[in-house]
Amino acid sequence: GAGVSQSPSNKVTEKGKDVELRCDPISGHTALYWYRQSLGQGLEFLIYFQGNSAPDKSGLPSDRFSAERTGGSVSTLTIQRTQQEDSAVYLCASSLGTAQNYGYTFGSGTRLTVV
Amino acid sequence: GENVEQHPSTLSVQEGDSAVIKCTYSDSASNYFPWYKQELGKRPQLIIDIRSNVGEKKDQRIAVTLNKTAKHFSLHITETQPEDSAVYFCAASRGGSNDYKLSFGAGTTVTVRA
Repeated sequence: GAGVSQSPSNKVTEKGKDVELRCDPISGHTALYWYRQSLGQGLEFLIYFQGNSAPDKSGLPSDRFSAERTGGSVSTLTIQRTQQEDSAVYLCASSLGTAQNYGYTFGSGTRLTVV
Repeated sequence: GENVEQHPSTLSVQEGDSAVIKCTYSDSASNYFPWYKQELGKRPQLIIDIRSNVGEKKDQRIAVTLNKTAKHFSLHITETQPEDSAVYFCAASRGGSNDYKLSFGAGTTVTVRA
């Protein structure tokens, strides 16, 4: 596609429910990243995919968070048993290669609100 | 891991004046420093970057400077215009096996007053 697509753009969920956030990267971009942007905070790294594997998942805050990527393309971030502190904007980015040589292209994000 | 601190958190400037945002980083192995601009309701976009082998880089009204010894880098916007109002994020990346990852600062909200 022309850009990185994320869906849904907004999600309101009740505390304790599971949510799935989707990211469709730019075609051909092998690297995919998930970041979280909380109010007043920076962009917090969650996980990095190279192809379908995740060599760095060090930023996932707890075992309630998981992510997968299939076909070297679409990625899904799943949050189980959501808590109010999970409320944030979840940003996906993709890159043709290394961040240093190609930079990131971000999606517009999913704004998650846990009530 | 890398820790990037960014100051100030908010900045209000008169149109036409300059704006300066400063960032410090902790990992001396970091060698790539991009800046992203996020307009209200939009996605962050890369506006300029600098590598550790240069001390300054300019692109029209924006410039970035790097002091490797002090481990800090700054974004300078001259002749500010209303469209410069946005949140600006600095970031740092180290090379080698970690060259995929950007560590971001907390962001600076810049408001340009007409």
